[in-house]
Amino acid sequence: DAKTTQPPSMDCAEGRAANLPCNHSTISGNEYVYWYRQIHSQGPQYIIHGLKNNETNEMASLIITEDRKSSTLILPHATLRDTAVYYCIVRPTNDYKLSFGAGTTVTVRA
Amino acid sequence: ETGVTQSPTHLIKTRGQQVTLRCSSQSGHNTVSWYQQALGQGPQFIFQYYREEENGRGNFPPRFSGLQFPNYSSELNVNALELDDSALYLCASSSDRDPHTEAFFGQGTRLTVV
Repeated sequence: DAKTTQPPSMDCAEGRAANLPCNHSTISGNEYVYWYRQIHSQGPQYIIHGLKNNETNEMASLIITEDRKSSTLILPHATLRDTAVYYCIVRPTNDYKLSFGAGTTVTVRA
Repeated sequence: ETGVTQSPTHLIKTRGQQVTLRCSSQSGHNTVSWYQQALGQGPQFIFQYYREEENGRGNFPPRFSGLQFPNYSSELNVNALELDDSALYLCASSSDRDPHTEAFFGQGTRLTVV
């Protein structure tokens, strides 16, 4: 599986957009980019996924570069409840498992 | 809430003992995966069950085993517990109708081996 690289931590001001980067320079053509987050003491929660087009849902937007070697998860208006560990995962089409790395610990401050 | 329930929520066992953890999948989901999350680390894939058969396994020894029942619920069994087995054990359910559907995780079982 392609490996992802994320910053270990980042802070964000409440009400501002949070932009979480992820590098996946060895991604293959059949691999999707997934984002999950894990709030303290809870199980991981799905946020969004994409192949090559930008995606948006009620939680976030996913921007994937044209060469697909990196992506950015955007939380448009961060709230204190968005404080969590955010995981960027690259997953092949025919694979069933999610390979979690260390993720980015995002702290939203009032 | 995701509709995936795990039991028990917390458990303390002694080294060498055996443990069984349980997971009820979300309605309509026929695939269950188990993950181990050590403190401060991301979850690590143990195995997946689909149609009551193991459908893939991570880098875990045979003393980690599982079952899936006709109602798609699942058990994770760990024999000969070691101190390093202390972790949060997570169950995730998904559907095979769309291989890219999201996986729904339960709250986990916190296992402490002493």
